[in-house]
Amino acid sequence: KAGVTQTPRYLIKTRGQQVTLSCSPISGHRSVSWYQQTPGQGLQFLFEYFSETQRNKGNFPGRFSGRQFSNSRSEMNVSTLELGDSALYLCASSLAPGQQYNEQFFGPGTRLTVL
Amino acid sequence: SQKIEQNSEALNIQEGKTATLTCNYTNYSPAYLQWYRQDPGRGPVFLLLIRENEKEKRKERLKVTFDTTLKQSLFHITASQPADSATYLCARDNYGQNFVFGPGTRLSVLP
Repeated sequence: KAGVTQTPRYLIKTRGQQVTLSCSPISGHRSVSWYQQTPGQGLQFLFEYFSETQRNKGNFPGRFSGRQFSNSRSEMNVSTLELGDSALYLCASSLAPGQQYNEQFFGPGTRLTVL
Repeated sequence: SQKIEQNSEALNIQEGKTATLTCNYTNYSPAYLQWYRQDPGRGPVFLLLIRENEKEKRKERLKVTFDTTLKQSLFHITASQPADSATYLCARDNYGQNFVFGPGTRLSVLP
């Protein structure tokens, strides 16, 4: 069974630009969560999607948005990039939300550098 | 929201010894805690889950404990090997909405 895939793996952008990251979950998984990981803040929850609907959202500004398609693939978008947005963005998939013992399967991440 | 602390940013131990990592949480006891391993440049990989009503869980050389009185989980790796060197993260639920991860402990097993 193929794992979670994320594209692109590396990205370099300049301040003020916008970026779109993509995530394909494991086949059969319907829940996709996004995380930002930085050395200072660790792994922080961005949002979770299930059945094309945003189920939960973390404490991030409105510049961070996402969506999920009918095939469970998800994209996240960051507009008006700032230097502090440089991070590893991780996508995780699970069977469905709200199930108490859900294991999350993480992708390899997209390393975003903002210059 | 809930918080998770892992009280060692880095831990160095000698090969063959037992590594013990600590995870402390605040507020209400989570229904479960999860432990993940993360290698540099890669996403976390799920290792173990322990439920609130379980005192201890084992998987090969790994052992996790859950003490709701101390609000703490301990993660042990016995007979540690250099290949166990990685960052270990613990995670809890946030009011059943999403996961909250600790900052991680970077373990180095020295040959």
